[in-house]
Amino acid sequence: ETGVTQTPRHLVMGMTNKKSLKCEQHLGHNAMYWYKQSAKKPLELMFVYSLEERVENNSVPSRFSPECPNSSHLFLHLHTLQPEDSALYLCASSQDMGLGYTFGSGTRLTVV
Amino acid sequence: AQTVTQSQPEMSVQEAETVTLSCTYDTSESDYYLFWYKQPPSRQMILVIRQEAYKQQNATENRFSVNFQKAAKSFSLKISDSQLGDAAMYFCAYRSMTNYGGSQGNLIFGKGTKLSVKP
Repeated sequence: ETGVTQTPRHLVMGMTNKKSLKCEQHLGHNAMYWYKQSAKKPLELMFVYSLEERVENNSVPSRFSPECPNSSHLFLHLHTLQPEDSALYLCASSQDMGLGYTFGSGTRLTVV
Repeated sequence: AQTVTQSQPEMSVQEAETVTLSCTYDTSESDYYLFWYKQPPSRQMILVIRQEAYKQQNATENRFSVNFQKAAKSFSLKISDSQLGDAAMYFCAYRSMTNYGGSQGNLIFGKGTKLSVKP
């Protein structure tokens, strides 16, 4: 158990579907992150939440919509995705955007 | 903007031998953190070792050690007595200490090096 739990582990969705990815941490951290990991590319930071407020949005298309209802939960709402959005989506948390990040095991997303 | 480069897409090592993974970075800052993360097939990113730039002493964690060359902006990872369980993707990452807001507070990753361990 890593302390950061992501569900679902795998997701296959059509381009017209709407789905959500969930991330949960019970480490007492107050910053949470979404990263996209594609093959042969560096991890791409998508969104950062600190104290439940979004502090960064790295030019992510609007078909990705994050939500952080409290310091323990982070969602990524997906709609009308494209096949190139297929990737591993990793959630992480840290204390005060501090030293180490604790990562979840990711959601493997396939858009068909 | 800071960048992290891992020039070795793949590496291989014999069990019980030593292997070194390379990482270089580009920054104009003087204070920052550097990290090595391991990602096994389970996909979870695991922190292997961390180095504070203001410390001259190289960090060590059991069989893992780094060679931090600040002037050269180099941060290599040495794995001694390699084990089968060391097989994974290894990512080098940079984090600014300048402030906690915006992109300067976030981890910037390299593309990774896939390490194979031969029995």
